[in-house]
Amino acid sequence: AQSVAQPEDQVNVAEGNPLTVKCTYSVSGNPYLFWYVQYPNRGLQFLLKYITGDNLVKGSYGFEAEFNKSQTSFHLKKPSALVSDSALYFCAVSYNNNDMRFGAGTRLTVKP
Amino acid sequence: ETGVTQTPRHLVMGMTNKKSLKCEQHLGHNAMYWYKQSAKKPLELMFVYNFKEQTENNSVPSRFSPECPNSSHLFLHLHTLQPEDSALYLCASSQRFDQETQYFGPGTRLLVL
Repeated sequence: AQSVAQPEDQVNVAEGNPLTVKCTYSVSGNPYLFWYVQYPNRGLQFLLKYITGDNLVKGSYGFEAEFNKSQTSFHLKKPSALVSDSALYFCAVSYNNNDMRFGAGTRLTVKP
Repeated sequence: ETGVTQTPRHLVMGMTNKKSLKCEQHLGHNAMYWYKQSAKKPLELMFVYNFKEQTENNSVPSRFSPECPNSSHLFLHLHTLQPEDSALYLCASSQRFDQETQYFGPGTRLLVL
């Protein structure tokens, strides 16, 4: 069965520093991987996805994620964090006509 | 604005009430979804409709009843809910089912007293 894990409930970084939000997945075969962001009182917004091809995927708001098949990871990264990046981030995986599975979410706090 | 709207945004209801949540998508998508979001838990997929046909019902209690009259509208009818049903209910749509980017509405915050 496909699943996704976000090992950190909370990530704190200082503004201007690089940030990483971790995601690992468990699925046989080739997954589709997604990152979504949720701001307060809002629904989830799509950030980026990996289907195939280049392992480094660039998305909205300067975010990128690297697909690592050997480590079954899809960590979200940004070179320089902004206070406005503070939000709840969800990793999701979909595979072979199955519904999308979401992680529990990681709350990112960027402090000035 | 994602093109998916949900009403109402907030709802307080007693355990004996009957209410309905509404979702509308303006994206021309063919698949629509209901999710339940509770604090510190993964999103729980409740129902999936693909071309107006229900394809998923993930062991959701019968006190939740979905309805999809057309590809643009999705309802969630609620009756005799329990306090543990209090959560944020999110609607989403995608061009087609599976492996497609989903676009979410802002959610309905439900409180069951």
